[in-house]
Order: sequence, then C-alpha cells, then structure tokens
Amino acid sequence: NAGVMQNPRHLVRRRGQEARLRCSPMKGHSHVYWYRQLPEEGLKFMVYLQKENIIDESGMPKERFSAEFPKEGPSILRIQQVVRGDSAAYFCASSPPSSTRHEKLFFGSGTQLSVL
Amino acid sequence: GENVEQHPSTLSVQEGDSAVIKCTYSDSASNYFPWYKQELGKRPQLIIDIRSNVGEKKDQRIAVTLNKTAKHFSLHITETQPEDSAVYFCAAGGSYIPTFGRGTSLIVHP
Repeated sequence: NAGVMQNPRHLVRRRGQEARLRCSPMKGHSHVYWYRQLPEEGLKFMVYLQKENIIDESGMPKERFSAEFPKEGPSILRIQQVVRGDSAAYFCASSPPSSTRHEKLFFGSGTQLSVL
Repeated sequence: GENVEQHPSTLSVQEGDSAVIKCTYSDSASNYFPWYKQELGKRPQLIIDIRSNVGEKKDQRIAVTLNKTAKHFSLHITETQPEDSAVYFCAAGGSYIPTFGRGTSLIVHP
C-alpha cells in the first residue's frame, strides 16, 4: 500500500514563474490537506480538499495560491508568480474517509520549493 | 481558531535519560491530540495519539498524558536513544483540522 506520494521532491523556480506541486493520497483516502513548513516553524495549514471540492481554504493566501483535487488524478497546489517568500517545504497529507473527524493524517515526503 | 503552544523548542539529553515535551491548546472543543516525529529531511510521521476521553496512553518507550481541564498534554520518552533525535510536533484537532505546535528539536547525545 503506497503512502502519500508527492512530486517533485525539489522544485527550483525564478521569481515570477509558476510552481505546481502534486500530491497523490494513500489508496482509499479521500481527504487531502496541504501544509507549509518554514525553517524553525511548525506546519501551517493551508487548504483541505475532498474530491472535486475545496472544503476549507482558510490558511491559503488570497492571491497567487490555488488548489484543486480533481475527480481523476492528483491534488495540485499551484503558486503563480512566485516570490522569494514562497520558499518553503510544502507537505501534503491524507486521511481515511470520515464525515466528521480529521484524524490520523499521513504525510507525504514534501516538496521543497526554492525561489531564486 | 485553535492555538497550540509547544515547549521547549530545543531539548538536549544524554542517551538513557527521559525527555518530556509539553503542549497547551486553547479550544476546549479539540478532542484529538496526535504527536508526529520528523527526522531531518523526511516526512512527519504519526508516533502516538490520544483522544480526550483518555488521560494517558503508552506505547513501549513513549507515552502521552492529557489534562483536559488545564488544556495541556505531554509526550514522554523514556530511555532515550540516539535514533530518537528528531523534531517532534504536537497537534490539536479532531472535529477540526489539526493545528500544529512549532516543534521541539530533540537531540540525544550518545
């Protein structure tokens, strides 16, 4: 049973370019969470999605950031016109289907985004 | 929203000693408290969790305690080993999306 798969592991972009981060949840999991981790800081929640629905995007910056989880394929976190402050590790997590509880999150290996 | 405070930020112990990491939370509606271990350059991994209907839970050398009244919970690692060196994150959630603490860097010296 493959774990949460994220790619790429490392992504280098120049200022102004677009970054696309991909996440495939564990088999059987239908909930996807995106977190951002900066050095010396914890995991900051960005967005929570189910298939074809954004459920909670309260942690996502209002501009330049978007996320989707289509019916087929991985979840995508998209950052347009990247700036140096976007440099961070972006982690995706998935959890088993449950109507009410957010428990037992399984994390991917993360994408380290570096903006030059 | 939920606010999770975690202390200390760095903890250095000798191999064989015990280590204790403490967290507090603000939202009394939180009822699920997981702990994650993140080794350098790797993914956070769930090592133990506790629900609010339980005061203590043990798994070999690790244990968690929860005080709902005081809204704090702790991770205890006994007989520490060098491979326990990592960053440990607490979180609070359950019905809500987990909010994480800032992490504790545990260093176990051989």
